Amino acid sequence: EAGVTQFPSHSVIEKGQTVTLRCDPISGHDNLYWYRRVMGKEIKFLLHFVKESKQDESGMPNNRFLAERTGGTYSTLKVQPAELEDSGVYFCASSQVGDSPLHFGNGTRLTVT
Amino acid sequence: AQTVTQSQPEMSVQEAETVTLSCTYDTSESDYYLFWYKQPPSRQMILVIRQEAYKQQNATENRFSVNFQKAAKSFSLKISDSQLGDAAMYFCAYRSRANFGNEKLTFGTGTRLTIIP
Repeated sequence: EAGVTQFPSHSVIEKGQTVTLRCDPISGHDNLYWYRRVMGKEIKFLLHFVKESKQDESGMPNNRFLAERTGGTYSTLKVQPAELEDSGVYFCASSQVGDSPLHFGNGTRLTVT
Repeated sequence: AQTVTQSQPEMSVQEAETVTLSCTYDTSESDYYLFWYKQPPSRQMILVIRQEAYKQQNATENRFSVNFQKAAKSFSLKISDSQLGDAAMYFCAYRSRANFGNEKLTFGTGTRLTIIP
């Protein structure tokens, strides 16, 4: 089975610009998570979808971040406008319903200059 | 809130030797999961091993085993017979069992493991 796919793998943008990250979960996985790792820090939870619904968005840093999962398939995470502190690696993960393990994507490395 | 601490930013080990990565955590809960994830240079994070807190027996997966000390809130990972392919960033993670179906993980800052040929 295909794994969790994220793109782009790397994005370099200027402060104030907009960037959209995409995540394609494993087919059939209702749970989709976004995490972020800022350089040298821990990986932090951003939000959790079950199908198209946001179950937990307690980790979203501010309203410059918008996540969507239309149709309950792929998800996008938009940062608008980007700030320097948004730089980091953004991970997506998916799982089936219930108590099943997470499958992670390769991550998108975002650099804001 | 739960926290996970990995006090070793970097570790190195000779090929074929054994290495232990440390992890401590803080929680007021009694029922939870603990995980070790591995992120090789190719960047995809892979689950190495999982431990249920209610199980006293330490989890083992081939060359990987854990030393789970619940009272001390310690969860170390031992890698035996280290191989070049074990070189990666290792993350310790915690998940509450309070919210069924929500795999929200709390991670440590990671330990970068280097294997010396």
